[in-house]
Amino acid sequence: SSELTQDPAVSVALGQTVRITCQGDSLRTYFASWYQQKPGQAPVLVFYGKDNRPSGIPDRFSGSNSGNTASLTITGTQAEDEADYYCNCRDTSDNYLLIFGGGTKLTVL
Amino acid sequence: EVQLVETGGGLIQPGGSLRVSCEVSGFTVNTNYMNWVRQAPGKGLEWVSIIYSGGTTYYADSVKGRFTISRDSSKNTLSLQMNTLRAEDTAVYYCARAVGAYYYYMDVWGKGTTVTVSS
Repeated sequence: SSELTQDPAVSVALGQTVRITCQGDSLRTYFASWYQQKPGQAPVLVFYGKDNRPSGIPDRFSGSNSGNTASLTITGTQAEDEADYYCNCRDTSDNYLLIFGGGTKLTVL
Repeated sequence: EVQLVETGGGLIQPGGSLRVSCEVSGFTVNTNYMNWVRQAPGKGLEWVSIIYSGGTTYYADSVKGRFTISRDSSKNTLSLQMNTLRAEDTAVYYCARAVGAYYYYMDVWGKGTTVTVSS
């Protein structure tokens, strides 16, 4: 199966902008979706596709795609954004399967 | 209200079997793509299995041949039968709905049920 690679940890100062990236060959074919997970809680969808944000997700969350890389950007990061973030997409090695990135722990300083 | 509630987790010995279920509310299980995703303690999310609306099923290599995903349209539930369990299957198991035609996204998640494989 294919893989999605994320930086294990990223930090950002309160109010600043942070970009979380996800790399993998499958992203050349399929858009990613992004999930936020806080300790002890289930994942929550925060962004998906080319330019889609679920209802209730703040507009400081945005996404972009280029080649084999998908990015989640948080503009004006808030303390409550501190969480683990995961990317996910279909697996081009077998299009009926899905894969997750290893996750990025975001620390807000 | 759209909701997923997982049940059936517990402590099971290596080599044993366990069935976890997901009660679906607010939509119909057999007209959606339903997934199981797991998370081992302190680790990331791992996709486990999917059942498409047409009934076809797929599995991650790590569980293929041991786990079986199924659905019951009369009860509107999703299940995961887990056989020959190993210590590395210890995880929180989430059910999630996947939506999409070309690319997918999981828009509804349950709170998860914990499976512990240990002697």
